[in-house]
Amino acid sequence: DAMVIQNPRYQVTQFGKPVTLSCSQTLNHNVMYWYQQKSSQAPKLLFHYYDKDFNNEADTPDNFQSRRPNTSFCFLDIRSPGLGDTAMYLCATSRAGGVSNEQFFGPGTRLTVL
Amino acid sequence: AQSVTQPDIHITVSEGASLELRCNYSYGATPYLFWYVQSPGQGLQLLLKYFSGDTLVQGIKGFEAEFKRSQSSFNLRKPSVHWSDAAEYFCAVGAGTGGGNKLTFGTGTQLKVEL
Repeated sequence: DAMVIQNPRYQVTQFGKPVTLSCSQTLNHNVMYWYQQKSSQAPKLLFHYYDKDFNNEADTPDNFQSRRPNTSFCFLDIRSPGLGDTAMYLCATSRAGGVSNEQFFGPGTRLTVL
Repeated sequence: AQSVTQPDIHITVSEGASLELRCNYSYGATPYLFWYVQSPGQGLQLLLKYFSGDTLVQGIKGFEAEFKRSQSSFNLRKPSVHWSDAAEYFCAVGAGTGGGNKLTFGTGTQLKVEL
């Protein structure tokens, strides 16, 4: 089945220790998104890639970076995690072309910063 | 900027009872509206979406939603709830951006189903 896969599902890191979260997709979608969802809050878009074009949200902290080496993979790098970065991180994909295209979500990576 | 309000944080219904989850949006133009469901430990799954046309939208798993422009609402309904519907439900409004689609979510409604 075509799907969005996130690894690892659970990640614990120490304050200030860089961490990388991985997302892969078999849907061959042009667009890949990263959302942050803190406990009892709405998912919040951090950034997205349209093919290789990176689109950062204005309020995404500089601490968060992303890489997309090819169509299938996208990585979220947190350079110096703080306690406030503890959250679920959701990856999603969609076809390009606008609002009508459904986003398909992965199961998420739950990150805990100690 | 667009925003979504889901006034009910938690709702409990009995199995077989009807369900309505409320959603109010703020958006300057014609809204693109979505309902997603998130089961524990899972990603978000699209239930239904509205772009234009018929204001009553049918989705998967027996859900429907009605768009009411005058009330800025997009409430989700189901005539008879099943125990497996227990999950968190998110309403979202979409806007095109950078070739993609920026979803702005509400804070969600946690649904509990009593047997």
